[in-house]
Amino acid sequence: ETGVTQTPRHLVMGMTNKKSLKCEQHLGHNAMYWYKQSAKKPLELMFVYNFKEQTENNSVPSRFSPECPNSSHLFLHLHTLQPEDSALYLCASSQDWGPSSYNEQFFGPGTRLTVL
Amino acid sequence: GDSVTQMEGPVTLSEEAFLTINCTYTATGYPSLFWYVQYPGEGLQLLLKATKADDKGSNKGFEATYRKETTSFHLEKGSVQVSDSAVYFCALSDHSSGYALNFGKGTSLLVTP
Repeated sequence: ETGVTQTPRHLVMGMTNKKSLKCEQHLGHNAMYWYKQSAKKPLELMFVYNFKEQTENNSVPSRFSPECPNSSHLFLHLHTLQPEDSALYLCASSQDWGPSSYNEQFFGPGTRLTVL
Repeated sequence: GDSVTQMEGPVTLSEEAFLTINCTYTATGYPSLFWYVQYPGEGLQLLLKATKADDKGSNKGFEATYRKETTSFHLEKGSVQVSDSAVYFCALSDHSSGYALNFGKGTSLLVTP
């Protein structure tokens, strides 16, 4: 039973649509993350929030807009996406934003996004 | 920059066979090393980790030893089970690049009865 849930699990959208991905963690963690998992490529860290403040933005295009209203919830707002944005989007959380050796990241099951 | 290279899959083994998945890394500092596993339809789970040279991480029968001299962190299991079928990711975290995890591309393992 994972402590990190993501909705929806699958999403198909057109390039002109606006949609949002939701992540919720029930672990009492302070840091939350968005990753992109594409076929044949390593996981790419997109954003990091620590205590609701964005601490990392790895040169992600502005068509991806994160929102962290509280330490338990993280959203990824999507607009005017491209077909190459089709991927599995994974959310994760950890106790704090610090050395990974002390802060295990717990992952959700992901949202499979297809952009037509 | 930091990077992780792991063997391409898929790897197909019979039940009770010996497993090795190779992982090598490049890092400017002294990284911590991890193996994550992703079962079908699920997110990644930490399988084991090692934080300094010669450390051995172990969990659920899997082992990996941090080899600084060969910059490697190969994953091994003596006798695989069908339930071990999953994708395995090697990753590192290096203080010089912040606290982020750098992942390899993943190796798919299929264990047949």
